[in-house]
Amino acid sequence: KQEVTQIPAALSVPEGENLVLNCSFTDSAIYNLQWFRQDPGKGLTSLLLIQSSQREQTSGRLNASLDKSSGRSTLYIAASQPGDSATYLCAVQGANNLFFGTGTRLTVIP
Amino acid sequence: GAVVSQHPSRVICKSGTSVKIECRSLDFQATTMFWYRQFPKQSLMLMATSNEGSKATYEQGVEKDKFLINHASLTLSTLTVTSAHPEDSSFYICSARVLGGASGSSRTQYFGPGTRLLVL
Repeated sequence: KQEVTQIPAALSVPEGENLVLNCSFTDSAIYNLQWFRQDPGKGLTSLLLIQSSQREQTSGRLNASLDKSSGRSTLYIAASQPGDSATYLCAVQGANNLFFGTGTRLTVIP
Repeated sequence: GAVVSQHPSRVICKSGTSVKIECRSLDFQATTMFWYRQFPKQSLMLMATSNEGSKATYEQGVEKDKFLINHASLTLSTLTVTSAHPEDSSFYICSARVLGGASGSSRTQYFGPGTRLLVL
């Protein structure tokens, strides 16, 4: 069964810093990988989706990479802002199910 | 595009009552809808997968008689929590998968905003 792990579980950084969130998965047979943001008590906001044939996707200050063979993805956030504070979830799409990681809780300190 | 709505966004009910949560795909047809549950500070756990016109497939440990799922059309799925108890209090999130072929993009799930259930 696919297992998805995110490191670190929590991260605090001062405003303006660049940071990297990590996601690893055990089964490389995936269709895509998605990064989500979740604010407390709220639903999921899709940030970036990388198809299995792609290596990275970029949106504004966010850049996500995918190395399917090694079972890893990273989410790079440039010039972090207090508004980036949230929990970030990665999820890998298998043949039928979407497997979620454990999440990284990010706090950006003004 | 690909918007999924849930109703209600928040519900408080008494123990022993039943609660129905609706999940709608607003601008696309979804052959498959998924129901997830999320406890505080935890990730999403898949409860069941429903395909339009057929019975839902429940994950191990999820009581199908307690969590009734109906997927009567390509744009609507409902989750009914029957005889709710305080331990059913949670955040319930649905997602919908676009009707399509076998490519990676057609497996993309679009998520609703979630429903907060509090059982007193």
